[in-house]
Amino acid sequence: DIQMTQSPSSLSAAVGDRVTITCRASQSVSSWLAWYQQKPGEAPKLLIFAASSLQSGVPSRFSGSGSGTHFTLTISSLQPEDFATYYCQQASTFPYTFGLGTKVEIK
Amino acid sequence: EVQLVQSGAEVKRPGESLKISCQTSGYTFTEFWIDWVRQMPGKGLEWMGTIYPGDSDARYSPSFQGQVTISADKSINTAYLHWSSLKASDSAMYFCARRWASRYLPFWGRGTLVSVSS
Repeated sequence: DIQMTQSPSSLSAAVGDRVTITCRASQSVSSWLAWYQQKPGEAPKLLIFAASSLQSGVPSRFSGSGSGTHFTLTISSLQPEDFATYYCQQASTFPYTFGLGTKVEIK
Repeated sequence: EVQLVQSGAEVKRPGESLKISCQTSGYTFTEFWIDWVRQMPGKGLEWMGTIYPGDSDARYSPSFQGQVTISADKSINTAYLHWSSLKASDSAMYFCARRWASRYLPFWGRGTLVSVSS
């Protein structure tokens, strides 16, 4: 299985802050990577697909970059509704593994 | 509008069998893979497996192979996740999700909570 390692596992940030989350794959996944946001009690929501493509309806403050084994999710200016847990998932090879998540909390 | 409606919460005993469902609408059921994702209490997302309803081709994560069975009924546009003998460690929220562009999951059900306890 391809292992996905996210860092940090949690972070505290203030509204307006720029936030960057990193995801590393144990082997190349090319650009077959997605980012999901999950709030408590809700299903995950697709934010970014193909490493850097913004899903329809997702605010432009979210962006993704990277390829191969190193990826980042950036929130340019954190908003109150962005406090949630974020997961990366590789979609290159079965099983389509998720990272362990990054919880973004209010400072 | 694409919709995935999951069956309700279940409370079961260890050793019992269970089949939960994911009823879909708003698209051609046989043309898109459906994935199942587990989330244990307070934990992250785990990809369990997937099925292509067009030919019932199912793939499993090695972590779940032999532990669950994924199936689909084309006549009622519904996917299933089945356990033949539940364990307490199967207690979790289970999500179904429909793929888009073959690989990504923009459409999700609300989840089915499974509780297994003696």
